[in-house]
Amino acid sequence: QVQLVESGGGLVTPGGSLRLSCAASGFTFSDYYMIWIRQAPGKGLELVSYISSSGSSTKYADSVKGRFTISRDNARNSLFLQMKGLTAEDTALYYCTRFDQDVYGMDVWGQGTTVTVSS
Amino acid sequence: DIQMTQSPSSVSASVGDRVTITCRASQHISSWLTWYQQKPGEAPKLLIHAASNLQSGVPSRFSGSGSGTEFTLTISSLQPEDLATYYCHQADTFPWTFGQGTMVELK
Repeated sequence: QVQLVESGGGLVTPGGSLRLSCAASGFTFSDYYMIWIRQAPGKGLELVSYISSSGSSTKYADSVKGRFTISRDNARNSLFLQMKGLTAEDTALYYCTRFDQDVYGMDVWGQGTTVTVSS
Repeated sequence: DIQMTQSPSSVSASVGDRVTITCRASQHISSWLTWYQQKPGEAPKLLIHAASNLQSGVPSRFSGSGSGTEFTLTISSLQPEDLATYYCHQADTFPWTFGQGTMVELK
């Protein structure tokens, strides 16, 4: 079945780095744009970054630009988010999502991986 | 950035009630408006795309309408399983933005 499974979250001190991964299965990964979305505790949803199906195009929220890097490995059906210079404001549940261009929406979501930035 | 403002922030209704949530965009966004439902402890789920198209598998009591800057999500007859927070989202102009959410509670 169609599935996204995130990993790599954890506790990191301010200024630290973390790399999130997302393993995709049940669909042709290389056909889809992929998006990272985060949700701070008790807050709403924020788009962090997206990457085109080939990986040639990426975009970032202003809040993470220059600190986060999105990438993908289509041969391994995997999506990544390299995060550096982390601050307390980056503490959130990070969701890996599939963007369906036919419906122009995120139609598949992972269960999320939690990133906590604290000293 | 395009600001998405939802109202109300929360609504308390009884089973069988009609519930309407409004989402206003700070500028014209054509019809690239999507609604998501997030139940407690779960990931969001796509309900409505392109403002008024029901995603496959979503019950027909959900409907969406609107264009331009004003959009609505309607639950025609509220069910207990509809307890959730609902978010609108625009994918017209980057950065894509979400509304702040509307929590639907049961009376």
